[in-house]
Amino acid sequence: DGGITQSPKYLFRKEGQNVTLSCEQNLNHDAMYWYRQDPGQGLRLIYYSQIVNDFQKGDIAEGYSVSREKKESFPLTVTSAQKNPTAFYLCASSIFWQIQNGYTFGSGTRLTVV
Amino acid sequence: DAKTTQPTSMDCAEGRAANLPCNHSTISGNEYVYWYRQIHSQGPQYIIHGLKNNETNEMASLIITEDRKSSTLILPHATLRDTAVYYCIVRVPWGKLQFGAGTQVVVTP
Repeated sequence: DGGITQSPKYLFRKEGQNVTLSCEQNLNHDAMYWYRQDPGQGLRLIYYSQIVNDFQKGDIAEGYSVSREKKESFPLTVTSAQKNPTAFYLCASSIFWQIQNGYTFGSGTRLTVV
Repeated sequence: DAKTTQPTSMDCAEGRAANLPCNHSTISGNEYVYWYRQIHSQGPQYIIHGLKNNETNEMASLIITEDRKSSTLILPHATLRDTAVYYCIVRVPWGKLQFGAGTQVVVTP
């Protein structure tokens, strides 16, 4: 079945270390997105990419970096510059050119800084 | 993209219809209304979307007022598994999904 796979489900990181969250989709979707969710709050957009080798900053991009070398993959790196990295991270994809299509979300990665 | 206003929370009895309101008074002519829901610690799930006309699918119905300034998501027969946070989002189809705080719906036995 087609879908989005995020790994790992839980991730622990020592303060000051960079960590990369994986997001892979086999839906042949053009666009991919990374969101962050803090307890009791809605999702906030970190980065998004509409085509391969191109990406744009979202509302809270500081302290994060991404790459889009392949259509299927959109990894997110949480750098040591991110002040409060502990959060639930969600990846999504959509068919950008199909105007009425919704987003498909992964099951998320819960990052904890220890 | 236009902003939306939703109640913070609401309860619903199992088996009854759940009517979730959403105000979007500044919606523009090319913006659609989308509904998603998020069960605790999972990714959001698409429910339904519409532009002007009422829409229905296997999950829910969407009623949009004639002036498009508000809408209602209807879960016809709520079950315990419908307990979730429901997000109403308005956006142009090519725009980004911007999430607010949503409505926490609790379905009780």
